[in-house]
Amino acid sequence: GENVEQHPSTLSVQEGDSAVIKCTYSDSASNYFPWYKQELGKRPQLIIDIRSNVGEKKDQRIAVTLNKTAKHFSLHITETQPEDSAVYFCAANPNFGNEKLTFGTGTRLTIIP
Amino acid sequence: EAQVTQNPRYLITVTGKKLTVTCSQNMNHEYMSWYRQDPGLGLRQIYYSMNVEVTDKGDVPEGYKVSRKEKRNFPLILESPSPNQTSLYFCASTRAGVFPRGEQFFGPGTRLTVL
Repeated sequence: GENVEQHPSTLSVQEGDSAVIKCTYSDSASNYFPWYKQELGKRPQLIIDIRSNVGEKKDQRIAVTLNKTAKHFSLHITETQPEDSAVYFCAANPNFGNEKLTFGTGTRLTIIP
Repeated sequence: EAQVTQNPRYLITVTGKKLTVTCSQNMNHEYMSWYRQDPGLGLRQIYYSMNVEVTDKGDVPEGYKVSRKEKRNFPLILESPSPNQTSLYFCASTRAGVFPRGEQFFGPGTRLTVL
């Protein structure tokens, strides 16, 4: 089955700086990669996703990049703000058959004012 | 409002006392899933259902049961809870069989403590 590794487990950045979270996956058949944000005490919510036919996707201050050859994908947050403080999860799905998402172990991002 | 609901939100119980956590969605989603979230381990899938009367094991199914008698409901059953099932549980749903994949919508979570 799929295995997703996520690094770092914790990340602290100064407000206004950029943050990068990296994930690797094992199943070359995976071709859907969402990122979920979980604020303290809340449910995970989708913030951005990327599919295998795309190398990069941006949504305002958030971007995701995908390298299928190396089997890794990354979340980039620019101009970080206090409300970006949360736990971020990457995930992977083969995009056929089962809708199952295999999640990484999460990154706790803290923005320092 | 499109949503996934779970009940109860918090539960403290004792070892061996059967319990059920309910999950309901109003988006007509075919696919529903249960996850448990533990520190340092992320979200791990317990069971999933592709549609009514179709369920299957996820990565950590031991000690849990599910049923899918109606499309909107997917209860999680712990027949004899043990302390190692103390965790935060999330139900999620999404459409099935669509390409590209859609968002999985999560419920608010159920924090379970087994003494």
